[in-house]
Amino acid sequence: DVKVTQSSRYLVKRTGEKVFLECVQDMDHENMFWYRQDPGLGLRLIYFSYDVKMKEKGDIPEGYSVSREKKERFSLILESASTNQTSMYLCASTYGTANEKLFFGSGTQLSVL
Amino acid sequence: QKEVEQNSGPLSVPEGAIASLNCTYSDRGSQSFFWYRQYSGKSPELIMSIYSNGDKEDGRFTAQLNKASQYVSLLIRDSQPSDSATYLCAAYYGNNRLAFGKGNQVVVIP
Repeated sequence: DVKVTQSSRYLVKRTGEKVFLECVQDMDHENMFWYRQDPGLGLRLIYFSYDVKMKEKGDIPEGYSVSREKKERFSLILESASTNQTSMYLCASTYGTANEKLFFGSGTQLSVL
Repeated sequence: QKEVEQNSGPLSVPEGAIASLNCTYSDRGSQSFFWYRQYSGKSPELIMSIYSNGDKEDGRFTAQLNKASQYVSLLIRDSQPSDSATYLCAAYYGNNRLAFGKGNQVVVIP
């Protein structure tokens, strides 16, 4: 069975902390994505990666960075967490592009206090 | 900014009825369209994709696409309580980018 695993289901952090969100997929997928989902705003793309060490900004990259050192792992980094980054973060992967079926992880609900 | 609009509020339908969901998209160049279902507290899962004008049926689900009107719809026939979820419409506009609508909540009443 296809699996995208996010390391934490719930996370509480303080303003100014550096936060790491981890995502691992076991399907040998080329493309991995980080989205955030907020009530009334829907799913918005933060960053995606189409290969190891390759990344591209999505629609809302400000305040975030990413790392993909291995094909199966894609990390989202909040350099200095702020309260407006409180959100549900969803990782996804696909073999082809986002034009194919996206497989989502179970999400990380991040609260920044 | 590419936009996908899903404007209807929560939809309540009796069990066995047809649920009808609509969305419009702004980028005329979009060629691929998707419906994802998201149960409360869960992540989205793909239920339908459609690439050409007309209807596409898969079990109780039918997706409809009208590129001239920039309009996509999803019909759920014989609605079941297990169909109660939020349905997200998405349009692909190239370079690995999907634009998602805000979603429509469907509640199927037994």
